[in-house]
Amino acid sequence: GAVVSQHPSWVICKSGTSVKIECRSLDFQATTMFWYRQFPKQSLMLMATSNEGSKATYEQGVEKDKFLINHASLTLSTLTVTSAHPEDSSFYICSARVKLLSSYNEQFFGPGTRLTVL
Amino acid sequence: AQSVTQLGSHVSVSEGALVLLRCNYSSSVPPYLFWYVQYPNQGLQLLLKYTTGATLVKGINGFEAEFKKSETSFHLTKPSAHMSDAAEYFCAVSPRGVKFYFGSGTKLNVKP
Repeated sequence: GAVVSQHPSWVICKSGTSVKIECRSLDFQATTMFWYRQFPKQSLMLMATSNEGSKATYEQGVEKDKFLINHASLTLSTLTVTSAHPEDSSFYICSARVKLLSSYNEQFFGPGTRLTVL
Repeated sequence: AQSVTQLGSHVSVSEGALVLLRCNYSSSVPPYLFWYVQYPNQGLQLLLKYTTGATLVKGINGFEAEFKKSETSFHLTKPSAHMSDAAEYFCAVSPRGVKFYFGSGTKLNVKP
């Protein structure tokens, strides 16, 4: 199956700094990538949808200036948490959508990135 | 509007017993339905999915789920639990296969 990687797998940073998380589709081209956030013991919440070469679409309540998304190529999307604060600590998961011949476009999930802000 | 309800945040079964994890959904359009498993500090692994066709779907590791439109349900079952099945399970609905909406998750504990 298709593989999605994330880097780093975990990161610890100081409050006020910015952190970049990469999401790559390793063996397919992803027309769309999604970013999710998962709080401890909770479900995944969709943060934003990004299409290659265009601006990301953010879900209601997600600060686009806080969570910068760049989808520079068909295999790479990045999420930058700017001026991170302890409340941004979370598990961030990306997924990539591959366009198949059928009407259903399969989505594959990355392994996640654990962000801890001190 | 789309939503997913997973009844029971924690389910505990004995090894060898039947596993039943419940999922009900609401969707304004015919949905695609999924079950994912998540092990601690890992991403999501697809167990099975329903898109079209046969309503009884078989997945990996002996799991299966049945799409019941009249009950708006997609419950996950496994005839005999194994210790390695202990994990958190998420049901998800995706209208037309674009955005995913996840349930709150069910943590499965398997007792020896």
